[in-house]
Amino acid sequence: NAGVTQTPKFQVLKTGQSMTLQCAQDMNHNSMYWYRQDPGMGLRLIYYSASEGTTDKGEVPNGYNVSRLNKREFSLRLESAAPSQTSVYFCASSVSGTSGGPYNEQFFGPGTRLTVL
Amino acid sequence: TQLLEQSPQFLSIQEGENLTVYCNSSSVFSSLQWYRQEPGEGPVLLVTVVTGGEVKKLKRLTFQFGDARKDSSLHITAAQPGDTGLYLCAGVRFGKIIFGKGTRLHILP
Repeated sequence: NAGVTQTPKFQVLKTGQSMTLQCAQDMNHNSMYWYRQDPGMGLRLIYYSASEGTTDKGEVPNGYNVSRLNKREFSLRLESAAPSQTSVYFCASSVSGTSGGPYNEQFFGPGTRLTVL
Repeated sequence: TQLLEQSPQFLSIQEGENLTVYCNSSSVFSSLQWYRQEPGEGPVLLVTVVTGGEVKKLKRLTFQFGDARKDSSLHITAAQPGDTGLYLCAGVRFGKIIFGKGTRLHILP
């Protein structure tokens, strides 16, 4: 089992360029998430998908779009990158996002380090 | 508003010492998780606590959930260099998960 995989690992963009971050999980999880991690800010939720076919905004959704392509894959798109989007992006998955107890336990990918010049 | 406050933000101690890090909130959580993140990697789940007052042990790490389910602590006994990393707590509230900003721990050999 590969767990959660993310591509690319590193990316440098110029302001205004677009790109898509890819994420896939092989654990048959229902819920998937996109976070950004910035120094001093912790992990902040961008978007999540509680189940296949649904997506919802998190704490910091502006400037991003997502697609839950199927149960395995959840992509994050930056339509017009800005320097404020320089960050480390993590994808995560969990069995379910709507219950307490063990179901929200997050399994994270290795991250994508994005720099916007 | 930061719902989960972690303290201290940074901690550097000698190998063999004991330490405690805290995760505090004024809100009640249905469960609380602790993760460790090493440089260049994603966070990895260490433990989930669900019941108020619950104590879980993972080798030299002891996790406690407060009686009122508003706070948690992580105690490490005889810290080792391999314990170095960023420790994140995360509370589950109304089906959603909220992360604290983390405690960066450095164990000196």
